[in-house]
Amino acid sequence: EVQLLESGGGLVQPGGSLRLSCAASGFTFSNYAMTWVRQAPGKGLDWVSDISGSGGTTYYADSVKGRFTISRDNSKNTLYLQMNSLRAEDTAVYYCAKRRNWNDDAFDIWGQGTMVTVSS
Amino acid sequence: DIQMTQSPSTLSASVGDRVTITCRASQTISSWLAWYQQKPGKAPKLLIYKASSLESGVPSRFSGSASGTEFTLTISSLQPDDFATYYCQQYNSYSRTFGQGTKVEIK
Repeated sequence: EVQLLESGGGLVQPGGSLRLSCAASGFTFSNYAMTWVRQAPGKGLDWVSDISGSGGTTYYADSVKGRFTISRDNSKNTLYLQMNSLRAEDTAVYYCAKRRNWNDDAFDIWGQGTMVTVSS
Repeated sequence: DIQMTQSPSTLSASVGDRVTITCRASQTISSWLAWYQQKPGKAPKLLIYKASSLESGVPSRFSGSASGTEFTLTISSLQPDDFATYYCQQYNSYSRTFGQGTKVEIK
Protein backbone atom coordinates (compact mmCIF):
# COMPACT_ATOMS: atom_id res chain seq x y z
CA GLU A 1 0.00 0.00 0.00
CA VAL A 2 1.30 3.43 -0.91
CA GLN A 3 1.64 5.47 2.26
CA LEU A 4 3.11 8.72 3.55
CA LEU A 5 3.57 9.37 7.27
CA GLU A 6 4.57 12.81 8.57
CA SER A 7 6.19 13.49 11.91
CA GLY A 8 8.08 16.22 13.72
CA GLY A 9 5.33 18.76 14.34
CA GLY A 10 4.83 20.47 17.66
CA LEU A 11 4.83 23.74 19.57
CA VAL A 12 7.73 26.12 18.90
CA GLN A 13 8.39 29.74 19.86
CA PRO A 14 8.55 32.50 17.25
CA GLY A 15 12.01 32.58 15.72
CA GLY A 16 12.56 28.91 16.48
CA SER A 17 13.22 25.94 14.23
CA LEU A 18 11.59 22.60 13.51
CA ARG A 19 12.28 19.75 11.10
CA LEU A 20 9.41 17.79 9.64
CA SER A 21 9.83 14.30 8.20
CA CYS A 22 7.69 12.32 5.79
CA ALA A 23 8.33 8.58 5.59
CA ALA A 24 7.26 6.99 2.32
CA SER A 25 6.41 3.36 1.63
CA GLY A 26 4.80 1.25 -1.07
CA PHE A 27 6.41 2.94 -4.08
CA THR A 28 9.85 3.68 -5.54
CA PHE A 29 10.43 6.92 -3.68
CA SER A 30 13.30 8.21 -5.79
CA ASN A 31 11.17 8.10 -8.95
CA TYR A 32 8.75 10.76 -7.74
CA ALA A 33 8.85 14.45 -7.05
CA MET A 34 7.41 15.37 -3.66
CA THR A 35 5.63 18.34 -2.18
CA TRP A 36 4.80 20.05 1.10
CA VAL A 37 1.40 21.74 1.45
CA ARG A 38 0.10 23.45 4.58
CA GLN A 39 -3.29 24.45 5.94
CA ALA A 40 -3.72 27.06 8.66
CA PRO A 41 -6.55 26.37 11.12
CA GLY A 42 -9.89 26.92 9.41
CA LYS A 43 -8.23 28.06 6.18
CA GLY A 44 -7.55 26.70 2.71
CA LEU A 45 -4.63 24.80 1.24
CA ASP A 46 -1.31 26.58 0.67
CA TRP A 47 1.52 25.09 -1.39
CA VAL A 48 4.89 25.37 0.38
CA SER A 49 7.65 23.60 -1.55
CA ASP A 50 8.52 20.99 -4.18
CA ILE A 51 11.55 18.78 -4.73
CA SER A 52 12.47 16.62 -7.71
CA GLY A 53 12.99 12.88 -7.43
CA SER A 54 16.77 13.23 -7.35
CA GLY A 55 16.62 16.14 -4.94
CA GLY A 56 18.53 18.35 -7.35
CA THR A 57 15.71 20.79 -8.06
CA THR A 58 13.66 22.61 -5.46
CA TYR A 59 10.96 25.29 -5.48
CA TYR A 60 9.52 27.42 -2.68
CA ALA A 61 6.56 29.68 -2.06
CA ASP A 62 7.64 33.30 -1.61
CA SER A 63 6.27 33.22 1.95
CA VAL A 64 8.86 30.63 3.05
CA LYS A 65 11.78 31.28 0.71
CA GLY A 66 15.00 31.76 2.64
CA ARG A 67 13.52 30.29 5.84
CA PHE A 68 12.46 26.75 4.84
CA THR A 69 14.57 24.07 3.16
CA ILE A 70 13.15 20.98 1.49
CA SER A 71 15.35 17.91 1.12
CA ARG A 72 15.11 14.16 0.74
CA ASP A 73 17.09 11.03 1.55
CA ASN A 74 16.22 8.48 -1.10
CA SER A 75 18.17 5.77 0.75
CA LYS A 76 15.79 6.22 3.68
CA ASN A 77 12.64 6.92 1.60
CA THR A 78 12.17 10.09 3.59
CA LEU A 79 11.27 13.69 2.73
CA TYR A 80 12.18 16.59 5.03
CA LEU A 81 11.21 20.18 5.63
CA GLN A 82 13.62 22.23 7.73
CA MET A 83 11.78 25.28 9.04
CA ASN A 84 13.80 28.16 10.53
CA SER A 85 12.85 31.64 11.74
CA LEU A 86 9.31 30.46 12.35
CA ARG A 87 6.50 32.98 12.58
CA ALA A 88 2.99 32.85 13.99
CA GLU A 89 1.63 32.75 10.44
CA ASP A 90 3.47 29.46 9.84
CA THR A 91 1.04 27.76 12.25
CA ALA A 92 -0.68 25.06 10.21
CA VAL A 93 -1.11 21.40 9.51
CA TYR A 94 1.71 20.40 7.17
CA TYR A 95 1.04 17.67 4.61
CA CYS A 96 3.52 15.89 2.41
CA ALA A 97 2.24 14.65 -0.92
CA LYS A 98 3.46 12.59 -3.85
CA ARG A 99 3.23 13.73 -7.44
CA ARG A 100 1.30 11.46 -9.81
CA ASN A 101 4.14 10.75 -12.22
CA TRP A 102 6.79 12.33 -14.42
CA ASN A 103 4.11 13.57 -16.80
CA ASP A 104 1.58 14.99 -14.36
CA ASP A 105 2.17 17.06 -11.26
CA ALA A 106 -1.13 16.58 -9.46
CA PHE A 107 -0.75 15.28 -5.90
CA ASP A 108 -2.20 11.77 -5.80
CA ILE A 109 -1.13 10.51 -2.37
CA TRP A 110 -1.15 12.61 0.82
CA GLY A 111 0.02 11.97 4.35
CA GLN A 112 -2.23 12.49 7.35
CA GLY A 113 -0.52 15.76 8.27
CA THR A 114 1.46 17.03 11.25
CA MET A 115 0.51 20.12 13.24
CA VAL A 116 2.98 22.97 13.73
CA THR A 117 2.09 25.66 16.24
CA VAL A 118 4.24 28.78 16.49
CA SER A 119 3.45 30.62 19.70
CA SER A 120 5.13 32.07 22.75
CA ASP B 1 1.76 34.27 -9.53
CA ILE B 2 -1.31 32.70 -11.09
CA GLN B 3 -4.47 33.40 -9.07
CA MET B 4 -7.26 30.83 -8.88
CA THR B 5 -10.73 32.22 -8.18
CA GLN B 6 -13.13 29.53 -7.05
CA SER B 7 -16.90 29.91 -6.70
CA PRO B 8 -19.14 29.64 -4.86
CA SER B 9 -17.46 29.59 -1.46
CA THR B 10 -20.42 27.70 0.02
CA LEU B 11 -23.06 25.62 -1.68
CA SER B 12 -26.17 24.13 -0.07
CA ALA B 13 -27.57 21.11 -1.87
CA SER B 14 -29.63 17.99 -1.37
CA VAL B 15 -28.83 14.36 -2.02
CA GLY B 16 -29.44 13.68 -5.69
CA ASP B 17 -28.76 17.25 -6.83
CA ARG B 18 -26.44 18.10 -9.69
CA VAL B 19 -23.68 20.33 -8.33
CA THR B 20 -21.25 22.55 -10.24
CA ILE B 21 -18.18 24.32 -8.86
CA THR B 22 -16.18 26.76 -10.95
CA CYS B 23 -12.54 27.81 -10.87
CA ARG B 24 -11.10 30.61 -12.98
CA ALA B 25 -7.37 31.08 -13.58
CA SER B 26 -5.87 34.56 -13.88
CA GLN B 27 -3.88 33.42 -16.93
CA THR B 28 -3.64 30.42 -19.18
CA ILE B 29 -2.72 27.16 -17.44
CA SER B 30 -3.43 24.82 -20.36
CA SER B 31 -5.14 21.78 -18.76
CA TRP B 32 -2.89 21.65 -15.71
CA LEU B 33 -5.63 21.73 -13.13
CA ALA B 34 -6.61 19.31 -10.38
CA TRP B 35 -9.63 19.02 -8.10
CA TYR B 36 -9.40 17.73 -4.52
CA GLN B 37 -11.99 16.77 -1.93
CA GLN B 38 -11.29 17.35 1.75
CA LYS B 39 -13.32 16.22 4.74
CA PRO B 40 -12.86 17.73 8.24
CA GLY B 41 -9.67 16.54 9.93
CA LYS B 42 -8.57 14.57 6.87
CA ALA B 43 -6.02 15.03 4.13
CA PRO B 44 -7.20 16.14 0.69
CA LYS B 45 -8.04 13.46 -1.87
CA LEU B 46 -7.34 13.80 -5.57
CA LEU B 47 -10.50 13.56 -7.70
CA ILE B 48 -9.60 14.98 -11.12
CA TYR B 49 -6.26 15.69 -12.79
CA LYS B 50 -5.38 17.37 -16.06
CA ALA B 51 -8.71 19.22 -15.89
CA SER B 52 -10.91 16.28 -16.91
CA SER B 53 -9.19 12.97 -16.11
CA LEU B 54 -10.81 10.94 -13.35
CA GLU B 55 -8.40 9.60 -10.76
CA SER B 56 -8.50 5.84 -10.29
CA GLY B 57 -11.11 4.73 -7.76
CA VAL B 58 -13.09 7.97 -7.86
CA PRO B 59 -16.81 7.51 -8.62
CA SER B 60 -17.91 8.40 -12.13
CA ARG B 61 -20.46 10.92 -10.81
CA PHE B 62 -17.48 13.29 -10.55
CA SER B 63 -16.35 14.97 -13.76
CA GLY B 64 -14.22 17.92 -14.79
CA SER B 65 -14.23 20.18 -17.79
CA ALA B 66 -12.38 23.19 -19.12
CA SER B 67 -13.04 26.16 -21.36
CA GLY B 68 -10.11 28.50 -21.74
CA THR B 69 -9.20 29.64 -18.25
CA GLU B 70 -12.48 28.48 -16.68
CA PHE B 71 -12.68 25.05 -15.13
CA THR B 72 -15.65 23.18 -13.73
CA LEU B 73 -16.13 20.29 -11.33
CA THR B 74 -19.52 18.61 -11.63
CA ILE B 75 -21.08 16.06 -9.32
CA SER B 76 -23.92 14.53 -11.33
CA SER B 77 -25.95 13.23 -8.39
CA LEU B 78 -24.81 14.32 -4.95
CA GLN B 79 -24.38 11.49 -2.46
CA PRO B 80 -24.17 11.69 1.36
CA ASP B 81 -20.43 10.96 1.22
CA ASP B 82 -19.87 14.00 -1.03
CA PHE B 83 -20.55 16.66 1.60
CA ALA B 84 -17.08 18.12 1.96
CA THR B 85 -14.87 21.01 0.85
CA TYR B 86 -13.52 21.02 -2.70
CA TYR B 87 -10.38 22.77 -3.93
CA CYS B 88 -9.02 23.41 -7.39
CA GLN B 89 -5.27 23.71 -7.94
CA GLN B 90 -3.22 24.84 -10.90
CA TYR B 91 0.10 23.17 -11.59
CA ASN B 92 1.08 24.92 -14.77
CA SER B 93 3.69 26.97 -12.96
CA TYR B 94 5.19 27.67 -9.57
CA SER B 95 3.70 28.42 -7.19
CA ARG B 96 1.12 25.65 -7.25
CA THR B 97 -1.84 27.85 -6.41
CA PHE B 98 -5.04 26.51 -4.84
CA GLY B 99 -8.49 28.03 -5.07
CA GLN B 100 -10.11 29.27 -1.85
CA GLY B 101 -12.32 26.20 -1.55
CA THR B 102 -16.03 25.41 -1.88
CA LYS B 103 -17.86 23.90 1.05
CA VAL B 104 -20.75 21.69 -0.04
CA GLU B 105 -23.32 21.59 2.75
CA ILE B 106 -26.54 19.69 3.30
CA LYS B 107 -29.60 21.75 2.41
